Amino acid sequence: QKEVEQNSGPLSVPEGAIASLNCTYSDRGSQSFFWYRQYSGKSPELIMFIYSNGDKEDGRFTAQLNKASQYVSLLIRDSQPSDSATYLCARESSYKLIFGSGTRLLVRP
Amino acid sequence: NAGVTQTPKFQVLKTGQSMTLQCAQDMNHNSMYWYRQDPGMGLRLIYYSASEGTTDKGEVPNGYNVSRLNKREFSLRLESAAPSQTSVYFCASIVAGGQGEQFFGPGTRLTVL
Repeated sequence: QKEVEQNSGPLSVPEGAIASLNCTYSDRGSQSFFWYRQYSGKSPELIMFIYSNGDKEDGRFTAQLNKASQYVSLLIRDSQPSDSATYLCARESSYKLIFGSGTRLLVRP
Repeated sequence: NAGVTQTPKFQVLKTGQSMTLQCAQDMNHNSMYWYRQDPGMGLRLIYYSASEGTTDKGEVPNGYNVSRLNKREFSLRLESAAPSQTSVYFCASIVAGGQGEQFFGPGTRLTVL
């Protein structure tokens, strides 16, 4: 079992819709989680991080963490074609990040 | 403020050749990391340096060595390149491990023939 699992996609949504990206993890001791966005041929950039159970909102992005069920999700409201990218979920472990393989999101105009 | 810089951007090697990938950051960060990314896969940690003077193995260290030259610079060396090392290599840094955002360099695309 991978430590951080993501559906590789692609997840295809129409412009203006809500995109829901999910991530599960195996280590119950995990405390901190990160969502990175990576455009094709570019380096990853941080979108959000979340430490506590519940929701965290930043503009069109909402991260959700459920430690009991061991999943993290990222919601993107009012999706735009410019949101088309690969989204990487990561958990922090002993000063390192462990990444999932990423979900490719396609937003159709 | 350049952030994290990597050289070279592209490199083609023949099997058995050696090379060093360079990484530098100007953000006074303590921790630095080397990852590789293969098609359809996420980032896999090769080596990291939690602080100047320390280095530790990550998930896929075989075939690589690293040097934390000073607080700014962290290099990755391939002693005898193999086709399996064809990948995109990213360097990253953070204020201190476990404290917030890792900043990534632009990457080095390496092909081993």
